[in-house]
Amino acid sequence: EAGVTQFPSHSVIEKGQTVTLRCDPISGHDNLYWYRRVMGKEIKFLLHFVKESKQDESGMPNNRFLAERTGGTYSTLKVQPAELEDSGVYFCASSETISGANVLTFGAGSRLTVL
Amino acid sequence: AQSVAQPEDQVNVAEGNPLTVKCTYSVSGNPYLFWYVQYPNRGLQFLLKYITGDNLVKGSYGFEAEFNKSQTSFHLKKPSALVSDSALYFCAVRDPFSGGYNKLIFGAGTRLAVHP
Repeated sequence: EAGVTQFPSHSVIEKGQTVTLRCDPISGHDNLYWYRRVMGKEIKFLLHFVKESKQDESGMPNNRFLAERTGGTYSTLKVQPAELEDSGVYFCASSETISGANVLTFGAGSRLTVL
Repeated sequence: AQSVAQPEDQVNVAEGNPLTVKCTYSVSGNPYLFWYVQYPNRGLQFLLKYITGDNLVKGSYGFEAEFNKSQTSFHLKKPSALVSDSALYFCAVRDPFSGGYNKLIFGAGTRLAVHP
């Protein structure tokens, strides 16, 4: 089966611009997560969708970040306007069921560089 | 606060020697623990997990990890390292307050370098 796909793999933008990251989860996976790793630090949770609904968005840094998952398939994460501290690698992951014992399947990540 | 610590930024080991990548955790209740590996330009790949049962867990690529409740540790081990094991390793624990979902708390990662 196809894995989790993320696009773009790398984006370089200037401060104040807008960037939209996309994640295509494994088909049939209702649960979709966004995580971020900034400057070699911990990978931190951003938010979690169950189908098209936001289950938990407690990790979203501020209102410059907007995540959507229309139709419960792919998801987008928009940063508007981007700031320098938003630079990092954004990971998307999906899982089939809600069990906390289940393994998340991660995408390769989208590296965002804000200049 | 729930947290995961990986005390070593980098671990260097010679090929053929045993390797250990350390992880300690601080969570409420019984932990669900995971190890993931990231190879260059690839996504995080699952290695192994501990949910319950035997404290020694075996995973992919010959890796294993030992859950130690008293020391709150979940160190990753391999008896004989390969150059191809060189990668970035992340320890993670499920957030016990995530309502049963897979919301993970990660460590900062440890870079493993295996030298020929």
